[in-house]
Amino acid sequence: DAGITQSPRHKVTETGTPVTLRCHQTENHRYMYWYRQDPGHGLRLIHYSYGVKDTDKGEVSDGYSVSRSKTEDFLLTLESATSSQTSVYFCAIRDRVETQYFGPGTRLLVL
Amino acid sequence: GDSVTQMEGPVTLSEEAFLTINCTYTATGYPSLFWYVQYPGEGLQLLLKATKADDKGSNKGFEATYRKETTSFHLEKGSVQVSDSAVYFCALSLFYGGSQGNLIFGKGTKLSVKP
Repeated sequence: DAGITQSPRHKVTETGTPVTLRCHQTENHRYMYWYRQDPGHGLRLIHYSYGVKDTDKGEVSDGYSVSRSKTEDFLLTLESATSSQTSVYFCAIRDRVETQYFGPGTRLLVL
Repeated sequence: GDSVTQMEGPVTLSEEAFLTINCTYTATGYPSLFWYVQYPGEGLQLLLKATKADDKGSNKGFEATYRKETTSFHLEKGSVQVSDSAVYFCALSLFYGGSQGNLIFGKGTKLSVKP
């Protein structure tokens, strides 16, 4: 196992509320990623980080923000959750030979 | 733009059948190529990878060869088992410009193997 955890694993929330998902790694890797997985779309990149306080947008970043104040933690925030953000969210880390390793995922339901 | 196209599923096979899942890519530059597998209710696991043309990745009886001339990375297994039932994702990774090595995924192919 790559030493990557996500919390919470499941969450139900209401439209308009803020939600924060946490990704934690024990591998000390520089690169971390947030993806969402939806039927018919595969995985799509939301945001990524290439170091502490260094982040950038991915393909589907609207409505999401991220923060990385420590190497081991990468937070994804839905500023005001909408039903279209109901999805499974995966965090990943990348090692020095380019391989990404994924966390177990967070299932988010926005009612 | 850069993209990955893999065969639509679902694919249903009998145990011990031969498996091929087609994957082609479009990329500017020279990507690394990956196959990931996702078992029900779990995250993605790396199955195999190849970083340059003609490389063959292999793991657990699965193989894929990086074919630059056909921009393909087809996944094969000679004899599938029920335990291979999962969703398989082809992906590429590029380092140029602002891409930062991000993975671009195909939409996934669901494989079901019947006893």
